[in-house]
Amino acid sequence: SQQGEEDPQALSIQEGENATMNCSYKTSINNLQWYRQNSGRGLVHLILIRSNEREKHSGRLRVTLDTSKKSSSLLITASRAADTASYFCATDFNQAGTALIFGKGTTLSVSS
Amino acid sequence: DTGVSQNPRHKITKRGQNVTFRCDPISEHNRLYWYRQTLGQGPEFLTYFQNEAQLEKSRLLSDRFSAERPKGSFSTLEIQRTEQGDSAMYLCASSPRAAMNTEAFFGQGTRLTVV
Repeated sequence: SQQGEEDPQALSIQEGENATMNCSYKTSINNLQWYRQNSGRGLVHLILIRSNEREKHSGRLRVTLDTSKKSSSLLITASRAADTASYFCATDFNQAGTALIFGKGTTLSVSS
Repeated sequence: DTGVSQNPRHKITKRGQNVTFRCDPISEHNRLYWYRQTLGQGPEFLTYFQNEAQLEKSRLLSDRFSAERPKGSFSTLEIQRTEQGDSAMYLCASSPRAAMNTEAFFGQGTRLTVV
């Protein structure tokens, strides 16, 4: 089963625009992570936000976490064509945190 | 390259045949995960090892699937009597400690096609 659900499923923007993706999850978590996957490749970790954090930045990425709403958002500012990829949120498997459970992802297409 | 390595990258097999995939994690990582991903979906958790011990198995892992991690280093995932529904990308990941505390490093995956 999949814990997180990303929204929207697909997003198309122009270079230079901002892209926002949302993730909702079902149960309490210890942390939430975002990953990127280029077509046909493995996943690359982007950022981890802990349950006691509300916002985190990494370069052009900004992640927010609202545990009361069980939701997170990933903002990519000043997008580039190279940002074209699928983006997944991932949460703990269980309270033991033994594995990550991924959502279905948002496919982002950035055109120049 | 000291990342997670998976072999083979692609495998085409006939229905009913057995296949085995290999994953070499980052050397100092004691945790290893297997995931399956179909087109348009996120990775689905299959199983998890801490060192050589298989600690978690998903209900998705039918009795045709078996995974091992002898000596706590590389891991193999075997699928017996393959079915067309087994066609997917099989991803391996490793981490130095529990996934809840750190990022997981993924390999490039093995794409299985059952014909």
